[in-house]
Amino acid sequence: EVQLVESGGGLVQPGGSLRLSCAASGFTFTTYAMSWVRQAPGKGLQWVSGIGGSRSSDSTYYADSVKGRVTISRDNSKNTLYLQMNSLRAEDTAVYYCAKSAGYSYGTYFDCGGQGTLVTVSS
Amino acid sequence: QSVLIQPPSASGTPGQRVTISCSGSSSDIGTYSVSWYQQLPGTAPKLLIYSDNQRPSGVPDRFSGSKSGTSASLAISGLQSEDEADYSCAAWDDSLNGWVFGGGTKLTVL
Repeated sequence: EVQLVESGGGLVQPGGSLRLSCAASGFTFTTYAMSWVRQAPGKGLQWVSGIGGSRSSDSTYYADSVKGRVTISRDNSKNTLYLQMNSLRAEDTAVYYCAKSAGYSYGTYFDCGGQGTLVTVSS
Repeated sequence: QSVLIQPPSASGTPGQRVTISCSGSSSDIGTYSVSWYQQLPGTAPKLLIYSDNQRPSGVPDRFSGSKSGTSASLAISGLQSEDEADYSCAAWDDSLNGWVFGGGTKLTVL
């Protein structure tokens, strides 16, 4: 059974940093593209960043709203996806979901997601 | 504001058929497949439809998807109370080089 478990969320002041983690199990992690998708309170889903699977040479893409402030990475030896977030703003407040793509390309639909971790940016 | 446009709400009575629309552009829906996600209250999104009209195993055939040009639709027939949820469409966008979502449609079963 595919499982994705996010962690690392919490309360952080504006301008601060956080690193989110997503522990994956139940599938060959290295093969599949992975993404982070967020949902601000009462709002719709918003894609944040994606990283390709092994056949995509782990290429990365970012939404314009976070480009330059976040870095997505993966440790295939630990079956873990990361999102390093810097210079956090109030508008980054959201539940962050880890999402698995159905293929090695990040352009493939998301077939599984975690339960999310809440990031709150506030002073 | 979301790139893909969905009505904020929809409703129907048990047994009825409802349709939720999703409007995009040539750089997203017009070129790439659409997927739909169901989000029950207080839970994470779950894949409902992929590749415009395909259902993952376990999704009832009451749910169906279609696409024409730069628009897509999700249809739910034989509406049930447990279908009350938020529904969101998504597609890759090659002008943004990223995924775009609709703003979500809250379905109420009256």
